[in-house]
Amino acid sequence: NAGVTQTPKFQVLKTGQSMTLQCAQDMNHEYMSWYRQDPGMGLRLIHYSVGAGITDQGEVPNGYNVSRSTTEDFPLRLLSAAPSQTSVYFCASSYTEYTDTQYFGPGTRLTVL
Amino acid sequence: DQQVKQNSPSLSVQEGRISILNCDYTNSMFDYFLWYKKYPAEGPTFLISISSIKDKNEDGRFTVFLNKSAKHLSLHIVPSQPGDSAVYFCAASGMVTGGGNKLTFGTGTQLKVEL
Repeated sequence: NAGVTQTPKFQVLKTGQSMTLQCAQDMNHEYMSWYRQDPGMGLRLIHYSVGAGITDQGEVPNGYNVSRSTTEDFPLRLLSAAPSQTSVYFCASSYTEYTDTQYFGPGTRLTVL
Repeated sequence: DQQVKQNSPSLSVQEGRISILNCDYTNSMFDYFLWYKKYPAEGPTFLISISSIKDKNEDGRFTVFLNKSAKHLSLHIVPSQPGDSAVYFCAASGMVTGGGNKLTFGTGTQLKVEL
């Protein structure tokens, strides 16, 4: 099992550019989520999904879109990047939304100039 | 407004001694608490959890204590080992967050275990 994989590891964007952060898991987990980690802020939930075809907003969803067409993949889209989106992004998954063990990917470090 | 607070950004402990990491929360609607450990360039990994109906949960060298009246929890690591050196995040969930794995995280405490 590869677990939770994220690509790319690093990315630099210019303001206004768009991009998609990829997240995939091979554990047949129903629940997937995206967090961002900023200095002095801890991790904050952006969007989550309780299964294929179902997504919902977390604490800080503005500027981000998600979709969940398959159980395995949960991409995060930035439509028009802003410097405030400079952060480290983590994808996570678990069997259900009520399962203790939530597995995190290694993260994507994004810089928006 | 930080609802889950870890007021000590760093902690240094000698190998073999006890490490105590603290976490305070402000929202009494949280009913489930977790600790995650994070090494550099890796994602957080789940360590231990506790429900609000308990005041203690133990797993090997790791014990979490919950004091609901003080809205405080702590993670005890005994004995501390060099491999425990990492950032530890406290997290909470409850109906206020939507429950389940929709977590509110603290800012983390960097633990360094010295030889």
